Amino acid sequence: DAGVTQSPTHLIKTRGQQVTLRCSPKSGHDTVSWYQQALGQGPQFIFQYYEEEERQRGNFPDRFSGHQFPNYSSELNVNALLLGDSALYLCASSLERQPYGYTFGSGTRLTVV
Amino acid sequence: RKEVEQDPGPFNVPEGATVAFNCTYSNSASQSFFWYRQDCRKEPKLLMSVYSSGNEDGRFTAQLNRASQYISLLIRDSKLSDSATYLCVVTAMDSSYKLIFGSGTRLLVRP
Repeated sequence: DAGVTQSPTHLIKTRGQQVTLRCSPKSGHDTVSWYQQALGQGPQFIFQYYEEEERQRGNFPDRFSGHQFPNYSSELNVNALLLGDSALYLCASSLERQPYGYTFGSGTRLTVV
Repeated sequence: RKEVEQDPGPFNVPEGATVAFNCTYSNSASQSFFWYRQDCRKEPKLLMSVYSSGNEDGRFTAQLNRASQYISLLIRDSKLSDSATYLCVVTAMDSSYKLIFGSGTRLLVRP
């Protein structure tokens, strides 16, 4: 049973560029959440998608946007990258009716130079 | 003030030691509580849920004190493999059931 799959695993971008991160949820899961984890910090909630709509958003600027597709997979887009966007980006999937049953992917490590 | 606060450590203990971690949370309306474990450069993984009655899973015991808004984790008979960062987690009271993480407490178990 495949868990949560994220791609790419590592990425290096230049300030001002745009990046797209991808997530395939665990089989059977319908809800996808994205978290940002800076070095030495706990993960911070970015947003959550359910039924192809953003259901909740954390304290992140509009440069961070996302999408959920009919097959429940999701993308996280970040525009106008800043050095401070360097972090581990984690995708977590769950079932809407079992909201605390999160499964995390292994993350995408983004470095902005 | 952070929503979830933890002592960052590191806690450096010998194998076989008992070690306790604490965390406090600020939102008295939070309803669900967890401890997650995160190995270096890996994703967080659920260690255990935390209940007011206390719960135990092998060498691990978690406790919740709602009145003090305080959560604890006790690890008995520490193993080298317990070395990791332990994240205290509470849930937000909105439709997303988002997880609110503390910054983590780092544990190093030495031979």
